[in-house]
Amino acid sequence: EAQLVESGGGLAQPGRSLRLSCEASGFIFDDHGMHWVRQVPGKGLEWVSSISLSGSNTHYADSVKGRFTISRDNAKNSLYLQMNSLRPEDTALYFCAKGKIGVSSSDVFDVWGQGTMVTVSS
Amino acid sequence: DIVMTQSPDSLAVSLGERATINCKSSQSVLYSSSNANSLAWYQQKPGQPPKLLLYWASTRESGVPDRFSGSGSGTDFTLTISSLQAEDVAVYFCQQYYSTPFTFGPGTKVEIK
Repeated sequence: EAQLVESGGGLAQPGRSLRLSCEASGFIFDDHGMHWVRQVPGKGLEWVSSISLSGSNTHYADSVKGRFTISRDNAKNSLYLQMNSLRPEDTALYFCAKGKIGVSSSDVFDVWGQGTMVTVSS
Repeated sequence: DIVMTQSPDSLAVSLGERATINCKSSQSVLYSSSNANSLAWYQQKPGQPPKLLLYWASTRESGVPDRFSGSGSGTDFTLTISSLQAEDVAVYFCQQYYSTPFTFGPGTKVEIK
């Protein structure tokens, strides 16, 4: 069974950094694009970033472009999100999601982790 | 960016009755070359991550009951639950994957009347 487990969330002051990790199991990791989606509890879903199978192509929401960096280590079946210059509006539950269609620029999310909470506050 | 809207914001339906949720995109999400609509539906229950129900507007994900169906093309789409069950109480989101940034609708909350 495909499974994703996020970690690395927590409390950070504005302007500081956090690195989220997502460990994948139960599927061939490097056969799938991977994605980060966030959600303020009780609110809607916001796509954050996507990365291609090899990691050569990445995409970002305008709200995080230039501050967040997505990466993957296929040898470790792991996805990462380096979050710099954090802002209070980045406060959300961050989900790691597996792509189904296989094109990071056009994909749906068929497996989700439980999420890791990021709170940005002084 | 493609803006997704949904209606209604919430609806209450009796057990066994039909529930219909609408989703509209600000521009077409139809790939004319393949005649496929890049539109997905997700279900989210409290305290859980979203679950993929349908993609390509009408293709059911494996394991999804056939009471869930999708229709529409271009900019207007519908999710139908043909006979509402207690376990269908949730928030439903549509998502376009025609282009980045991928965008979601604001969600429709389905409750039992």
